[in-house]
Amino acid sequence: DGGITQSPKYLFRKEGQNVTLSCEQNLNHDAMYWYRQDPGQGLRLIYYSQIVNDFQKGDIAEGYSVSREKKESFPLTVTSAQKNPTAFYLCASRGQYTEAFFGQGTRLTVV
Amino acid sequence: DQQVKQNSPSLSVQEGRISILNCDYTNSMFDYFLWYKKYPAEGPTFLISISSIKDKNEDGRFTVFLNKSAKHLSLHIVPSQPGDSAVYFCAASTETGANNLFFGTGTRLTVIP
Repeated sequence: DGGITQSPKYLFRKEGQNVTLSCEQNLNHDAMYWYRQDPGQGLRLIYYSQIVNDFQKGDIAEGYSVSREKKESFPLTVTSAQKNPTAFYLCASRGQYTEAFFGQGTRLTVV
Repeated sequence: DQQVKQNSPSLSVQEGRISILNCDYTNSMFDYFLWYKKYPAEGPTFLISISSIKDKNEDGRFTVFLNKSAKHLSLHIVPSQPGDSAVYFCAASTETGANNLFFGTGTRLTVIP
């Protein structure tokens, strides 16, 4: 089945650690996105990529990094520089003139 | 700076009645608009979209209306069902350039049986 898969569903991070969230899609979409959702807030764009080996910062990129070495994959690293990383993270992909398809999300908690 | 705004954080409607969710945007370059439905701890699922060349798009119980001059869109759900209870996000995009999706802050709809 075509779709977009995020893993893990739940992730715990210790203070000062980097963690990487996985996002894979087999929809042959060029564009991929990472959003963050906090309680009572909308979806805020962290990073996006329109094509392999290229990505751009969104509204809240500080403390995050990404790579896009393959069309299918867009991993997000939450670095120790991100001061408030506890949130629900959503990955999406999109073809031209279509809706975005979202993964099921990863809930990251700092312990 | 929020380019897409949903000013009502919550809405309660009786089962069988109409639900109207509203969304305003500021960027006149937006030409493609979408509504998503989201349950807790899940990714949003696409509901319905509309291109700026139209002012209405209908899909079953869901209708989206676009008023470009007012930079306003709305989602009508008729009749509302308890299973419609969720958070609804509107989103907007320009189909050229960065092609990003900008989301509103969401409206929590509760349909009362």
